[in-house]
Amino acid sequence: DTAVSQTPKYLVTQMGNDKSIKCEQNLGHDTMYWYKQDSKKFLKIMFSYNNKELIINETVPNRFSPKSPDKAHLNLHINSLELGDSAVYFCASSQDQGPGEKLFFGSGTQLSVL
Amino acid sequence: QKEVEQNSGPLSVPEGAIASLNCTYSDRGSQSFFWYRQYSGKSPELIMSIYSNGDKEDGRFTAQLNKASQYVSLLIRDSQPSDSATYLCAVNGGGANNLFFGTGTRLTVIP
Repeated sequence: DTAVSQTPKYLVTQMGNDKSIKCEQNLGHDTMYWYKQDSKKFLKIMFSYNNKELIINETVPNRFSPKSPDKAHLNLHINSLELGDSAVYFCASSQDQGPGEKLFFGSGTQLSVL
Repeated sequence: QKEVEQNSGPLSVPEGAIASLNCTYSDRGSQSFFWYRQYSGKSPELIMSIYSNGDKEDGRFTAQLNKASQYVSLLIRDSQPSDSATYLCAVNGGGANNLFFGTGTRLTVIP
């Protein structure tokens, strides 16, 4: 069983479109995250949720809207996609939100905006 | 803006040698330090965590932390070709688990 699974693995779309990436974890963790990794491999946090509540919201355009229907799911919806949104998006989870928690990453979604 | 700096490499070492990876961070209040390994096209996976000054050993891996110098390093002994990957240093400043990652050092172990 995959611990943190995200779909789709690849997403190719035109500028201006709206798309969603889904993430589910079966580890029983309380905290979930979205990270963005750019072409230079720089991994940067976007959001984190703890028990469905938003905890971290870094400086991200409001075209990005996370949604957590329950603590096992954290989806990412992106409106009006731009070229600069092309990146790999990783979902992750941790047992709790403390500063020393180990992150478990999903396999990533390669988003290409044309 | 909290910063984590790493030499992007590539760092090449022969098989069996010691690979030394370095990382500096800007936030003196940082409490937790991590090394993640990322194979090409794969997701990061945690290999070491360290929270106090000194060395922490786990198999062939040793993490070293010097908070006064704001410096954390990873040593890989008896390097193997399977260690070839990008190694990401991550630092947490306390509070919620908001990790700041470096850009990673690409390591190549030559057979």
